[in-house]
Amino acid sequence: AAGVIQSPRHLIKEKRETATLKCYPIPRHDTVYWYQQGPGQDPQFLISFYEKMQSDKGSIPDRFSAQQFSDYHSELNMSSLELGDSALYFCASWGSNTEAFFGQGTRLTVV
Amino acid sequence: AQSVTQLDSHVSVSEGTPVLLRCNYSSSYSPSLFWYVQHPNKGLQLLLKYTSAATLVKGINGFEAEFKKSETSFHLTKPSAHMSDAAEYFCVVSDRDNFNKFYFGSGTKLNVKP
Repeated sequence: AAGVIQSPRHLIKEKRETATLKCYPIPRHDTVYWYQQGPGQDPQFLISFYEKMQSDKGSIPDRFSAQQFSDYHSELNMSSLELGDSALYFCASWGSNTEAFFGQGTRLTVV
Repeated sequence: AQSVTQLDSHVSVSEGTPVLLRCNYSSSYSPSLFWYVQHPNKGLQLLLKYTSAATLVKGINGFEAEFKKSETSFHLTKPSAHMSDAAEYFCVVSDRDNFNKFYFGSGTKLNVKP
C-alpha cells in the first residue's frame, strides 16, 4: 500500500539559507500535519492543512511557511535557517480511518 | 485541552520478560489514543489505536494496550520482550474537534538487555 512520501530524506543547509521540504500524503487523504522533532525531543506540532486550507498552527516560527496544493501534497518552506532548526521533520496524513500515517521524515542539518 | 504524560522516560527490561510502558492522558471527552514506535533514525510506526471500541486493543508485534477511563490510562504491554523491541515509544492522543491534531507524549526509550 502507498505510504506517506517525504522528500528529500536528508538535507544539509548552511545558516541563513532556505529549504523546502515536500510531503506527499496517502491518496485520498485530505489532511496533512507537519511535526518537528529535535534531537532527543518528542515531535512538536508545527502546522496542519485540511482540504488545502490551514486548519491549525502550532509552534511554527515566522521564518517558516507551508501550503497544501490542489493534489494535496504539502510543502514546508524554511528561510533564514538557524542551527536550532536542525531536526527531523515529519509529515503525517489523515484520512477517514481514524489514524495518521507518518512519513519517514526529512532530516535537516543546518551547518 | 488534550495532553499526554508518559511516566517513564527510560525503561530497561531483559529479553523474554514483560514490558510495561505507562501513559496517562487528559481529555475533555472520549479520546482516540495511539501508540507509535520509532526505531533509531526511522519514521513513526503505528503499533495500535483505541477509538471507542473494545477497551483492550491488540496491536502488531505482540503489543497490546488497555484503555481505562476511570484511571485515564492507556498503558502499553507485551508479555515477552524481544531485542528488536528496543526503540522509542510515543503515546498519542488526538483531538477530534481540531481536525484530529495529535498530541504526543514525551516518549519512553525501551532498552532490552540480552
